[in-house]
Amino acid sequence: EPEVTQTPSHQVTQMGQEVILRCVPISNHLYFYWYRQILGQKVEFLVSFYNNEISEKSEIFDDQFSVERPDGSNFTLKIRSTKLEDSAMYFCASSSSTARSEDTQYFGPGTRLTVL
Amino acid sequence: AQSVSQHNHHVILSEAASLELGCNYSYGGTVNLFWYVQYPGQHLQLLLKYFSGDPLVKGIKGFEAEFIKSKFSFNLRKPSVQWSDTAEYFCAVNANYGGSQGNLIFGKGTKLSVKP
Repeated sequence: EPEVTQTPSHQVTQMGQEVILRCVPISNHLYFYWYRQILGQKVEFLVSFYNNEISEKSEIFDDQFSVERPDGSNFTLKIRSTKLEDSAMYFCASSSSTARSEDTQYFGPGTRLTVL
Repeated sequence: AQSVSQHNHHVILSEAASLELGCNYSYGGTVNLFWYVQYPGQHLQLLLKYFSGDPLVKGIKGFEAEFIKSKFSFNLRKPSVQWSDTAEYFCAVNANYGGSQGNLIFGKGTKLSVKP
């Protein structure tokens, strides 16, 4: 069964550094999402992406964050200048092409980001 | 704003016991409802979802959930749990309307531990 993959599984960085988290969505999917889960808290929506542009973003997704689909297979989340509070598990998800809200979102295994 | 509440943080059961995990949501419009499961060391997987029709939804591995609109609830049930059901269970909701991108709002999750 096709899966969403994410790399790296764990990223440790210093405060103020830039990080790029990478995701490979399921190949025929057209909607892509980033979520994050701070330890002990809820999984929170960050951003959705369709047709090479952001569809919707939450208030968490400020100017420090950006997303890109650089080559038609990867989907990346960049944090320009990491803060301690960015430490979290970041999940990528993708869903298929029917553009309906009930479409199943398939999640990757997550990248644990630790900001020191 | 939409929100999802899962009342049980950690549930411990013996094998063959019956399971019911509570989920309530807050949203004024039409919603889609999901239960995701995360087995130890694995990624979030869809157990079942409701978007229309019969409010009793059957999912994988013998799980079912009932949507009670008047109570804003979508409780997950299984008549007889197994040790392999040990996992964390997440209830999620998104808005069901034209143009919705399907961004999921998650509950905090319920850890289920099944004793052999």
